[in-house]
Amino acid sequence: AQTVTQSQPEMSVQEAETVTLSCTYDTSESDYYLFWYKQPPSRQMILVIRQEAYKQQNATENRFSVNFQKAAKSFSLKISDSQLGDAAMYFCAYSNTDKLIFGTGTRLQVFP
Amino acid sequence: DTAVSQTPKYLVTQMGNDKSIKCEQNLGHDTMYWYKQDSKKFLKIMFSYNNKELIINETVPNRFSPKSPDKAHLNLHINSLELGDSAVYFCASSQGGAGANVLTFGAGSRLTVL
Repeated sequence: AQTVTQSQPEMSVQEAETVTLSCTYDTSESDYYLFWYKQPPSRQMILVIRQEAYKQQNATENRFSVNFQKAAKSFSLKISDSQLGDAAMYFCAYSNTDKLIFGTGTRLQVFP
Repeated sequence: DTAVSQTPKYLVTQMGNDKSIKCEQNLGHDTMYWYKQDSKKFLKIMFSYNNKELIINETVPNRFSPKSPDKAHLNLHINSLELGDSAVYFCASSQGGAGANVLTFGAGSRLTVL
C-alpha cells in the first residue's frame, strides 16, 4: 500500500526567508502524481503545486517549487520569500488511480 | 459562486443521533469524494463516487452511508453517532479519478458529537 510521510510536524520561518518542507512516499508504481496542499486556519484545502512522476523537471508555481527525487521517493516543497499568509498546515499527497493519499501534515509558522 | 459547497459548516449533536451532511459541486466534475480529518489533522478518504456509482469504500463503519442522487451531489448520512465521529468532513470533486486530476475541496463540515 502507498504511504506518505511528513517527518516535520512543525516548521517556522522568518518573513522573506526560505523554508523547505519534507515529504517521502512509498509506492511500487512507476506512474503517479504528487501534490502539496495548503490548509490555512479557514480550513479550506488549497492546491499549491502538482508534479507528474514521469516528468524529470521540478514543478514551480511562483514562490513555490518542489525538489522531486524519484529514486529516493522524496518530494520536498520550497517556499521562497515567505509571507505571513503562507502560515498554514501543508499536506503532501500521492495519487495514482483512484484516490489521494495524504501525509500527516506540517504546520508552518511565519514570523514577522 | 462556490465550486464545492457543503452544508452545514458546523454541526453539534448528541451521541446516538442521526445526521446528514450535504455536498454539491457546480464544476461539472464526474467524481466526488468524502474525506475525514481527525483531531490530529490527518485526512483519510472514506468514499468516492463516479457518475453516481460507488468506486471506493474504505474501512468505514456501516453507520456511514453515502448517497449520490446525481453526479453533482454526494451526501453523507451518519446513524447512531459516536464520540469518535467528531471530526471535520470534507467533500471534494474531480473530473475523472484522482490519479492525474486535481481535487477541488469544499470548506469542510465540523461535526461535534457530545
